[in-house]
Amino acid sequence: AQRVTQPEKLLSVFKGAPVELKCNYSYSGSPELFWYVQYSRQRLQLLLRHISRESIKGFTADLNKGETSFHLKKPFAQEEDSAMYYCALSPYNTDKLIFGTGTRLQVFP
Amino acid sequence: DTAVSQTPKYLVTQMGNDKSIKCEQNLGHDTMYWYKQDSKKFLKIMFSYNNKELIINETVPNRFSPKSPDKAHLNLHINSLELGDSAVYFCASSQGAVRGGLSYEQYFGPGTRLTVT
Repeated sequence: AQRVTQPEKLLSVFKGAPVELKCNYSYSGSPELFWYVQYSRQRLQLLLRHISRESIKGFTADLNKGETSFHLKKPFAQEEDSAMYYCALSPYNTDKLIFGTGTRLQVFP
Repeated sequence: DTAVSQTPKYLVTQMGNDKSIKCEQNLGHDTMYWYKQDSKKFLKIMFSYNNKELIINETVPNRFSPKSPDKAHLNLHINSLELGDSAVYFCASSQGAVRGGLSYEQYFGPGTRLTVT
């Protein structure tokens, strides 16, 4: 079964602390993994995807096929990072997005 | 210059009614989607259309019928509304379905909050 699991509903940290939002997936083939973010009163938007290997707004995510994980990390959280974060998987050769249940990140001053 | 727009933003209606939600994109994209977000914020794909052709049709009751009059529009019609249909419905679009086995970025609309009483 194709599934994305985000074990934390809520993650609270103080500004400047490191952040790691966990994402595990279940998929037998080669997946495409994404992180989407929804800031307060804004649309859901793509943050990053594993194939681009970019750092966006200081966030990085590495696909670990052995552990079937795609955790999102940032060394120093900022207040403006507070948002809802969704990990998503797209099976190979489809445009179907399978989302996790999301993690709300709260960054306190 | 809104990329993906949805109307209405809020929709409150009674059980048994029929309602439609409209979606338009001005990005020149070929593919459009409908997602449902439940009260626990879980997002699940319902349908996708590529060049007005239905591509993805997840396990959705027949009461839900998407209609794509052209590439820029994908409307969602819901018959005989039920309490469980209450959710936020998101429209999205992307440049295409897949390229080289990989998917394109999806651009989301602001959502339509449907409340069935």
